[in-house]
Amino acid sequence: DSGVTQTPKHLITATGQRVTLRCSPRSGDLSVYWYQQSLDQGLQFLIQYYNGEERAKGNILERFSAQQFPDLHSELNLSSLELGDSALYFCASSGPGQGNYGYTFGSGTRLTVV
Amino acid sequence: GEDVEQSLFLSVREGDSSVINCTYTDSSSTYLYWYKQEPGAGLQLLTYIFSNMDMKQDQRLTVLLNKKDKHLSLRIADTQTGDSAIYFCAESMGNTDKLIFGTGTRLQVFP
Repeated sequence: DSGVTQTPKHLITATGQRVTLRCSPRSGDLSVYWYQQSLDQGLQFLIQYYNGEERAKGNILERFSAQQFPDLHSELNLSSLELGDSALYFCASSGPGQGNYGYTFGSGTRLTVV
Repeated sequence: GEDVEQSLFLSVREGDSSVINCTYTDSSSTYLYWYKQEPGAGLQLLTYIFSNMDMKQDQRLTVLLNKKDKHLSLRIADTQTGDSAIYFCAESMGNTDKLIFGTGTRLQVFP
């Protein structure tokens, strides 16, 4: 157990729907990162939050949004889902000033859009 | 650009050494990392190297960094079947915490 908890582990939904993925960072970590892993795109950085505020943004679609709550857990909201959004979504966390020493990853949420 | 490149596959015999290579693009990267992903699991940090180092050894793992060529390698000594996984290199982007990952190298170890 890495200490980063992601729920749900698997999600199957239809095109056009909206889903919410949840991440609880490792205890004491202030930064949360979201990544999308698909077969054709590899691991793509989506967005980073630090202590509740957006810190960096990557290749995140406008249909996707995220937030980090006061208790530091984070949610990734995916709306108007398309078949191409099927992927593994990873959350990772790092401590204050420890981003450069690597992240701790959760086990991911596998999203299947049908 | 933000491309980190790796070869896609590597197959080795159990007991041999494995060398996984990576080229990165950002000369200002402060840290470079190697992660391991086993089937159905998240990414596990194996090791990292600071950009002012040439080499780092950690038990069976040896990381070599050639800053001039922006080339990073991971050598696994005495490769075991449990080492079969996908290995990702990653670079930190300048002064940010953002990591850019390579495409991953699938290592297959056969008896």
